[in-house]
Amino acid sequence: AQRVTQPEKLLSVFKGAPVELKCNYSYSGSPELFWYVQYSRQRLQLLLRHISRESIKGFTADLNKGETSFHLKKPFAQEEDSAMYYCALSGPGANSKLTFGKGITLSVRP
Amino acid sequence: ETGVTQTPRHLVMGMTNKKSLKCEQHLGHNAMYWYKQSAKKPLELMFVYSLEERVENNSVPSRFSPECPNSSHLFLHLHTLQPEDSALYLCASSRSRWGTGELFFGEGSRLTVL
Repeated sequence: AQRVTQPEKLLSVFKGAPVELKCNYSYSGSPELFWYVQYSRQRLQLLLRHISRESIKGFTADLNKGETSFHLKKPFAQEEDSAMYYCALSGPGANSKLTFGKGITLSVRP
Repeated sequence: ETGVTQTPRHLVMGMTNKKSLKCEQHLGHNAMYWYKQSAKKPLELMFVYSLEERVENNSVPSRFSPECPNSSHLFLHLHTLQPEDSALYLCASSRSRWGTGELFFGEGSRLTVL
């Protein structure tokens, strides 16, 4: 069974502080990992996926297979980063179910 | 209009009412989904449709009845709901079932059951 764990419900930081949103997963194989974001009054949308190895809005996430983690990081948080963030996992093939974690609310204070 | 559109955006209904939520996608996708988003369980998968066929029903009570008349439209028919069904209902679509992880979401329909 595949599972995504986001151990914290809320992270509150000051503007300019580093951010790390934790995500751990359970999957017997080679998973694909994603981060989705939902800003206030906006739709849930894909932020980044690990296979792209890209930085979006200053956020990066590295897949650590040894620790089965996919933490989302940003060195200097901005107020506009305040949102709900969901980590998600799917298998490598087509039609592989996408499983979401419970999400974490990031609050960036001025 | 492009993307995934949900109507109504807000709905208030009594427990004996019958209402429907509508979702429309203009992305040419073949799979559509209903999710329930609430404070207690942030993102619960309800139903999955692929090529207009229901492929997953995540143990959802029968008071929720989905309908997918074509690949662009998805409905969620509601009847005899309970107050605990109050939540934000999200529709999503993808190119194929689970779309290699990229789902496109609508803005949601905020449902309040009195």
